[in-house]
Amino acid sequence: KQEVTQIPAALSVPEGENLVLNCSFTDSAIYNLQWFRQDPGKGLTSLLLIQSSQREQTSGRLNASLDKSSGRSTLYIAASQPGDSATYLCAVSGQGAQKLVFGQGTRLTINP
Amino acid sequence: DGGITQSPKYLFRKEGQNVTLSCEQNLNHDAMYWYRQDPGQGLRLIYYSQIVNDFQKGDIAEGYSVSREKKESFPLTVTSAQKNPTAFYLCASSIDGGPGQGAKNIQYFGAGTRLSVL
Repeated sequence: KQEVTQIPAALSVPEGENLVLNCSFTDSAIYNLQWFRQDPGKGLTSLLLIQSSQREQTSGRLNASLDKSSGRSTLYIAASQPGDSATYLCAVSGQGAQKLVFGQGTRLTINP
Repeated sequence: DGGITQSPKYLFRKEGQNVTLSCEQNLNHDAMYWYRQDPGQGLRLIYYSQIVNDFQKGDIAEGYSVSREKKESFPLTVTSAQKNPTAFYLCASSIDGGPGQGAKNIQYFGAGTRLSVL
């Protein structure tokens, strides 16, 4: 059974720092990996999707990498801003691309 | 504006009562999903549907039921059999639920319904 773990559960950094969020998964047979952002009491917003054949994806200040063989992904946020404060979740496709398995998320706080 | 609309935003259930959560999308997406989120937890899949009149159980389907009579609508009923229904419920959709479809697999989420028990 696929399991997804995100460490740390919470992270607080000063504004302007570059930071890395980690995601690990137990079964390397995935179709894709997605990173989402969730603001308190809200739905999820898709940030990046990496297909299993890809190594990384970039969008603005965000860069996500995927190492299927080691079961790891990282989300790199450059020049963090207070508006980046949110919970970040990663999810991998399980048995078929439609069945996403989520990690518990990392709650990120950027201090002005 | 295209998007996913969930209603109501807050819902209260009495003991032994069935309640239905609404999810409507105007994105012309084929696939739709229901997730449950408990405090401090990730999301868990309840049901999903890849096409009209077809749906499959997710990891925690017991105590829930769904229907998919129209492409744009995927209502979730929380039945009295669900003994611990208090949670945040999220609906999502994607262009295509099949494997290897790249960006077509990106799931777009509604704002959620918070269900509590009276």
